[in-house]
Formats: sequence, C-alpha cells, structure tokens
Amino acid sequence: DAGVTQSPTHLIKTRGQHVTLRCSPISGHKSVSWYQQVLGQGPQFIFQYYEKEERGRGNFPDRFSARQFPNYSSELNVNALLLGDSALYLCASSRGGANEKLFFGSGTQLSVL
Amino acid sequence: ILNVEQSPQSLHVQEGDSTNFTCSFPSSNFYALHWYRWETAKSPEALFVMTLNGDEKKKGRISATLNTKEGYSYLYIKGSQPEDSATYLCALDYTGTASKLTFGTGTRLQVTL
Repeated sequence: DAGVTQSPTHLIKTRGQHVTLRCSPISGHKSVSWYQQVLGQGPQFIFQYYEKEERGRGNFPDRFSARQFPNYSSELNVNALLLGDSALYLCASSRGGANEKLFFGSGTQLSVL
Repeated sequence: ILNVEQSPQSLHVQEGDSTNFTCSFPSSNFYALHWYRWETAKSPEALFVMTLNGDEKKKGRISATLNTKEGYSYLYIKGSQPEDSATYLCALDYTGTASKLTFGTGTRLQVTL
C-alpha cells in the first residue's frame, strides 16, 4: 500500500500570495493532521480533520485553513503569505483512535520570498 | 504551555557505541508519549507509543522506557550503527486524539564508522 503522499514537494511563493498543499492519507485512515516544522524546532500542530470535520486547531492565524474531502484526502490553504510561513509542512494520517501512531508524508517545503 | 524538552540537542557517537537520550515533560496528564525517528530526506517514522508508567518497549536494538511520575522517557540504542543516524523526536498526546501531538525539538544523532 502507498504511504501518505503530499504534493507538491517544493514550492516557492512571494509575500501576499496564496498556497494550497495537498495530502492523501493511507488507505483506510480517516484522520489527517497537518504540522508546520521550522528548522531547529519540532513540528507544530496546525489542524486535525476526522471524517471531514475539524477536530482540532493549533495556535495559527486565520490565514491558515484546511478541509478534508469524502475520500479523506486533505488540503491546507494559507492566504496572504508572510516570510515567516516558510517551513516544511507535514501531513500525517491515522485511523483516528486513541494511542495510534501517526504515519507522516515527506512534506512540502514552502519558501516565501 | 506544556513543553516537551529533549536532551541532548545533538549527539555524535561511534559505530558500536550504545547511547541514550531523554524526553522530559512537566505533567503526567497526557494520554500517550510517542517516539519518532526522522532520517534526512525521509518522513518521520513511528518507533513507539507508550501510555503507562513503567512501560517498556523494544524494537530491535532500540528500546524506550516511560516514567510518568518523574516526568521523563528514555530512548536507548544498543550498538549504534550508521543507519541509526537521524533525529529522534518525542511527542506527547495531551488530548487523547493521537493526532494533536506536542513535539520536542528532537535529538540529532550522528553515528560514524
């Protein structure tokens, strides 16, 4: 089975632009979560979606939004990009139960110039 | 803010050495503690999910223990090999969702011949 896939792998944008990142979970996984990882820090939680509903939101501004589709794939959208949004964005999937390990994608490296 | 601290920040050992690093947390009010291994240019990979005080997990040459009363978890690698070179991340699940994890900054391990 394919693992968690993310697209694109790299992206360069300029300040003020909008970006959409995509994630396909492992087959059978209904939960998708998004993390932002800045060099030198651990991944920071952004969103979790389960069965197309938002289950949790981290401490990120409203410029960040996400959604989950009926096939459980997900999009992360960021509006009005700032230089500080430059980071690796990781998507993770799981079955959604407690004490389950996360399966991560390889991430999308976003550079904002 | 429920911080997760990892030490040391980085570690350089020789092949065959055994090593260990620490994950510290301020509160025992969590549902699970996760360990992930993150090799360069790859996705973070789950090693262990631990829930109970006194839990011990083992996977090949890697093992982990959890002490919730004193607020730490140890990860041990016996007989380090170059392929063990990676960043080892500890994360706590404070919500029971297994998706909203609070990560430490990681311990970067380099194993040389």
